[in-house]
Amino acid sequence: DQQVKQNSPSLSVQEGRISILNCDYTNSMFDYFLWYKKYPAEGPTFLISISSIKDKNEDGRFTVFLNKSAKHLSLHIVPSQPGDSAVYFCAAGESTNSKLTFGKGITLSVRP
Amino acid sequence: NAGVMQNPRHLVRRRGQEARLRCSPMKGHSHVYWYRQLPEEGLKFMVYLQKENIIDESGMPKERFSAEFPKEGPSILRIQQVVRGDSAAYFCASSPIRGPDTQYFGPGTRLTVL
Repeated sequence: DQQVKQNSPSLSVQEGRISILNCDYTNSMFDYFLWYKKYPAEGPTFLISISSIKDKNEDGRFTVFLNKSAKHLSLHIVPSQPGDSAVYFCAAGESTNSKLTFGKGITLSVRP
Repeated sequence: NAGVMQNPRHLVRRRGQEARLRCSPMKGHSHVYWYRQLPEEGLKFMVYLQKENIIDESGMPKERFSAEFPKEGPSILRIQQVVRGDSAAYFCASSPIRGPDTQYFGPGTRLTVL
């Protein structure tokens, strides 16, 4: 049973445009959400997070939106750059414990 | 400040052998987590340890897998009598406090079982 779903396996965007990566979850106990970026042969690198008391968090070119009623979050990258090309994982957790539940990831390709 | 270190980076074992994966957390971090990534899948939680204690092992297979985080030295994930299905990338993360929001990941160990 997949509790965190990233339904699109890949996304290709033009440099300078917006990238929107989506993520859905089913467990209503999740109250903390994170996005990780991963390059081949490396570990995941933390990108941005949001807790359930907020609906938006922004850090430079990266913004995460959370819609609790729809159990949906999205990561916006604007403007997209070729160096953003990587696999992006959505993850969720509960503040009462420490384990993270990951989606399968989405491969973002930013075309020059 | 060195990040989370894992070794070996690549490990090849034959079926039936033992695999030992090591994780040195970031300096000052006393919480360690192990995750496994199968091909074409996301990372799956295996176990959470604090120094000398297993806090949550709800993601560990019931047999052949064990983990420890001794008072001195790295955390060890041990897989006995490996099978082909154990082939995966194993990632360790560490954090200074308990919680889902402060985990820093190592580069992973890629285990191949022949």
